[in-house]
Amino acid sequence: GQNIDQPTEMTATEGAIVQINCTYQTSGFNGLFWYQQHAGEAPTFLSYNVLDGLEEKGRFSSFLSRSKGYSYLLLKELQMKDSASYLCAVMDSNYQLIWGAGTKLIIKP
Amino acid sequence: EAQVTQNPRYLITVTGKKLTVTCSQNMNHEYMSWYRQDPGLGLRQIYYSMNVEVTDKGDVPEGYKVSRKEKRNFPLILESPSPNQTSLYFCASSFFQREFNEQFFGPGTRLTVL
Repeated sequence: GQNIDQPTEMTATEGAIVQINCTYQTSGFNGLFWYQQHAGEAPTFLSYNVLDGLEEKGRFSSFLSRSKGYSYLLLKELQMKDSASYLCAVMDSNYQLIWGAGTKLIIKP
Repeated sequence: EAQVTQNPRYLITVTGKKLTVTCSQNMNHEYMSWYRQDPGLGLRQIYYSMNVEVTDKGDVPEGYKVSRKEKRNFPLILESPSPNQTSLYFCASSFFQREFNEQFFGPGTRLTVL
């Protein structure tokens, strides 16, 4: 079966750096996405990786290793507004999107 | 304004009463999806469509139907709703067969089936 694993919950301190890991096993690969979702709201796009390596966008970076079936989302200079769930998703060979259960990130002052 | 709209936003209904949740996008996207989100389970894809008249089953298609007669619309139909279909539903759209295919999400429909 297809599977995406990410930690259920993480806690970090305002101003610090946090890394959220995602491992996947899917039937083929057409890209990996990271989304942010605040409670009760729709997910919003953060990043997309289709090739190995690091993609940087402001305070957020995402890394992909296709050979290892592994990605991480790096959040720097954490702010209280970054408290949210972070969702990892992979598009498989049939263009179906497979989603992880999400990582709830709690930021403490 | 580029957006994905869903209606209704909230719905309480009873078991067995057919209902349709509409989804429309104005970005000329080829790819459209329906998801349900339940606590602890994350987003699960119900159906997706890569273009007009093309639909495919996702992870949890049982009890749902979709159609894609026009590019902009992708309604979700529950022919005979049951309480286990109580959930938060999201519609999303994106370009397809382009290098970058960010999904844009609608605001969500909270459905309760009694």
